[in-house]
Amino acid sequence: QLQLQESGPGLVKPSETLSLSCTVSGDSINTPSYYWAWIRQPPGMGLEYIGSIYFGGRTYYNPSLKSRITILEDTSKNQFSLKLSSVTAADTAVYFCVRENMDRGIVNRLDSWGQGTLVIVSS
Amino acid sequence: EIVLTQSPATLSLSPGDRATLSCRASQSVSSYLGWYQQRPGQAPRLLIYDASKRATGIPARFSGSGSGTDFTLTISSLDPEDFAIYYCHQRSNWPPTFGQGTRLDIK
Repeated sequence: QLQLQESGPGLVKPSETLSLSCTVSGDSINTPSYYWAWIRQPPGMGLEYIGSIYFGGRTYYNPSLKSRITILEDTSKNQFSLKLSSVTAADTAVYFCVRENMDRGIVNRLDSWGQGTLVIVSS
Repeated sequence: EIVLTQSPATLSLSPGDRATLSCRASQSVSSYLGWYQQRPGQAPRLLIYDASKRATGIPARFSGSGSGTDFTLTISSLDPEDFAIYYCHQRSNWPPTFGQGTRLDIK
């Protein structure tokens, strides 16, 4: 059974870099069958798509965050990661790692989610 | 960026009632729209994809319809566990976006 688990510091200081990892078990991330994404949710608010990584390390970033984010994969550990630089209080959120599934090469669903990890930006 | 507008913001119903939730896109997303349920303290869960396809394990009381810019999620007879927040999501155009959510409350 597929499981995704986020890990990383729960508290980051303003202007520093937020770093999270997602460990995937039950399937390999080194496959052209899926994309692997990060989505966040500020407390009490809606969902925001951050970006994704695909087979071979190709990345796709939300333009609203593109200048500050880096998504990488480590296939040897079956993990992918998120770095968000120059954080502010507005980056305080629950961060989810997610598997994006597709049909006929078209991504059409977010079918497996990690439980999420709360990251607070505060001095 | 495609804006998804959900209505109503809050829907107050009783168990056994029929619920109808709406999602309108600012431009066509064809049929590439999904619906997700989020219970308090949990991650969202996929209910419907491609506008009308039920995800694995989702009860038949959940159904989706629509195409282009107007979509509907219907819950035919509300179970107590269905009271949650529902989000629509499109990945037809970049960047992927979500609606602001509809909160389904117990009346």
